[in-house]
Amino acid sequence: NAGVTQTPKFQVLKTGQSMTLQCAQDMNHNSMYWYRQDPGMGLRLIYYSASEGTTDKGEVPNGYNVSRLNKREFSLRLESAAPSQTSVYFCASSGTGNTEAFFGQGTRLTVV
Amino acid sequence: GEDVEQSLFLSVREGDSSVINCTYTDSSSTYLYWYKQEPGAGLQLLTYIFSNMDMKQDQRLTVLLNKKDKHLSLRIADTQTGDSAIYFCAEIPSGAGSYQLTFGKGTKLSVIP
Repeated sequence: NAGVTQTPKFQVLKTGQSMTLQCAQDMNHNSMYWYRQDPGMGLRLIYYSASEGTTDKGEVPNGYNVSRLNKREFSLRLESAAPSQTSVYFCASSGTGNTEAFFGQGTRLTVV
Repeated sequence: GEDVEQSLFLSVREGDSSVINCTYTDSSSTYLYWYKQEPGAGLQLLTYIFSNMDMKQDQRLTVLLNKKDKHLSLRIADTQTGDSAIYFCAEIPSGAGSYQLTFGKGTKLSVIP
């Protein structure tokens, strides 16, 4: 029973490099989310996808793009990484209505 | 915008009760949540309460909701060292197409043996 799976768990990038964070869920959830967590800032929503085929900006979308590849997968792309994007990134998913959100284990990204 | 406010730190002795407080902004929120994050892990739903309830109890956990003051609290009875974690209060603000949870900054609970 995998739940929400994120890859990679750790990544170090140089400034200007690009990468894609992968997320997949096996719970047949409609909604998926990407958050970043920074010390003293809590979790801030980057992008979300309410259903397959739709994506919307969250609180802090600048510097990121997302793709809802299918119902299971929701990827987050950094086109040109900056040190300010050093953070822990969490993917989450939830079913229809105000139901529990399930989180992945996180990706710790460092941009040098 | 919506802000969910929590104190950042709480320290209690093992066996005592812990009370973590939260204030939220959207009086139309239907559900309010408490999530727990253990070190190096993602968030897990601890409990939630419907906005038409004043209190919810689940074993050692008691959630109190004061809608008038937009105040939510989580009480952990007989706190154990395994309860050491960061606790996040969260709401889903009302509005068309609003699905996303809005989190507080988290309260780090330290339990002293």
